[in-house]
Amino acid sequence: EDKVVQSPLSLVVHEGDTVTLNCSYEVTNFRSLLWYKQEKKAPTFLFMLTSSGIEKKSGRLSSILDKKELSSILNITATQTGDSAIYLCAVEGGAGGTSYGKLTFGQGTILTVHP
Amino acid sequence: DAMVIQNPRYQVTQFGKPVTLSCSQTLNHNVMYWYQQKSSQAPKLLFHYYDKDFNNEADTPDNFQSRRPNTSFCFLDIRSPGLGDAAMYLCATSRGRVAIEQFFGPGTRLTVL
Repeated sequence: EDKVVQSPLSLVVHEGDTVTLNCSYEVTNFRSLLWYKQEKKAPTFLFMLTSSGIEKKSGRLSSILDKKELSSILNITATQTGDSAIYLCAVEGGAGGTSYGKLTFGQGTILTVHP
Repeated sequence: DAMVIQNPRYQVTQFGKPVTLSCSQTLNHNVMYWYQQKSSQAPKLLFHYYDKDFNNEADTPDNFQSRRPNTSFCFLDIRSPGLGDAAMYLCATSRGRVAIEQFFGPGTRLTVL
């Protein structure tokens, strides 16, 4: 069974701190790993990492994929209160020939940034 | 703007009364997905369509059905909602098969009384 595990489950920091969120996976036919940010609505896309693109950066956010360790980290530097959200890691893949586009989500990390 | 639209945003139904949730997209994407997300849990894939090809997850209850009459629309039918089916239902789309970002709609929050 495909599995995606995120840690920590929750994190409380102060503005300006740097945080690192972790995601590890066991997925058959791995194709990509995606990070989403979810506030009080549907998830919004942050990054997609594949074998050909194992590091992504956008502003204060960056992410690295370690295919050897079957894991990824999401870094947020100089955190702001607007970064408070649930961060979801999802891995695309799965057993069988119809694994296209199927995402297995982790349980999420709840990040709270205090002023 | 191209987008994924879900209607209604909030749906209240009674125990056992059939309900249909709607998703439409203007992205012209081939693949459409339905997820169920319960409180404090990750989204769980129920099924997806690649064009008209329907793919059901093994653990999706028979109570849940889906229809995709055309590229733009996809419906989630819950034949006999139980209290345990109260959740946020998320529709998502993607352009194709492999290593593709999924675009999510705003979700429909279902309450079962």
